[in-house]
Amino acid sequence: DAKTTQPPSMDCAEGRAANLPCNHSTISGNEYVYWYRQIHSQGPQYIIHGLKNNETNEMASLIITEDRKSSTLILPHATLRDTAVYYCIVLKHDYKLSFGAGTTVTVRA
Amino acid sequence: DAGVTQSPTHLIKTRGQQVTLRCSPKSGHDTVSWYQQALGQGPQFIFQYYEEEERQRGNFPDRFSGHQFPNYSSELNVNALLLGDSALYLCASATGTGLVTGNTIYFGEGSWLTVV
Repeated sequence: DAKTTQPPSMDCAEGRAANLPCNHSTISGNEYVYWYRQIHSQGPQYIIHGLKNNETNEMASLIITEDRKSSTLILPHATLRDTAVYYCIVLKHDYKLSFGAGTTVTVRA
Repeated sequence: DAGVTQSPTHLIKTRGQQVTLRCSPKSGHDTVSWYQQALGQGPQFIFQYYEEEERQRGNFPDRFSGHQFPNYSSELNVNALLLGDSALYLCASATGTGLVTGNTIYFGEGSWLTVV
């Protein structure tokens, strides 16, 4: 499976958009990009996933570059409850998720 | 619609003992995977069950075993517990495997195991 690279941490002001980058330069054509987040001591929460088109749901937007080598998760209006570790994962059809270190996002009032 | 449910939520065991953790997948899901998450680490894949068979396995010893029942629920068994088995054990479910791509995978809240 393709590996991903994420910044270890980032801060965001409450009410502002949070843009979380992810590099996956070795992604292959049939691999999806998934985003999860994990709030301390809870199970990972699904956010969004996509193959090559941009995706949006009630939680976030996912922007995938045309060459699919990187993507950005956008939280449009960050709240304090969005403070969490965010994981970007590249996945084939086998559902075997490989979690990296993720990005620790801290939303500040 | 209940999501992925796991039990128990917390338990304490002694070294050398055996433990069984349980998982009920989200309604309509037939594939169950188990993950181990040590404190401060990301979740690590243990194994995956589909059609009552182990389909994939991560780098875990044979002390870790599992089972999937006809109703798609699953158990994770760990024998001869070690202190290092202390972790959050997570169950994830999805629909199908190897056939349908891009489906959503949902996690339960996990079972916290402490080995003393």
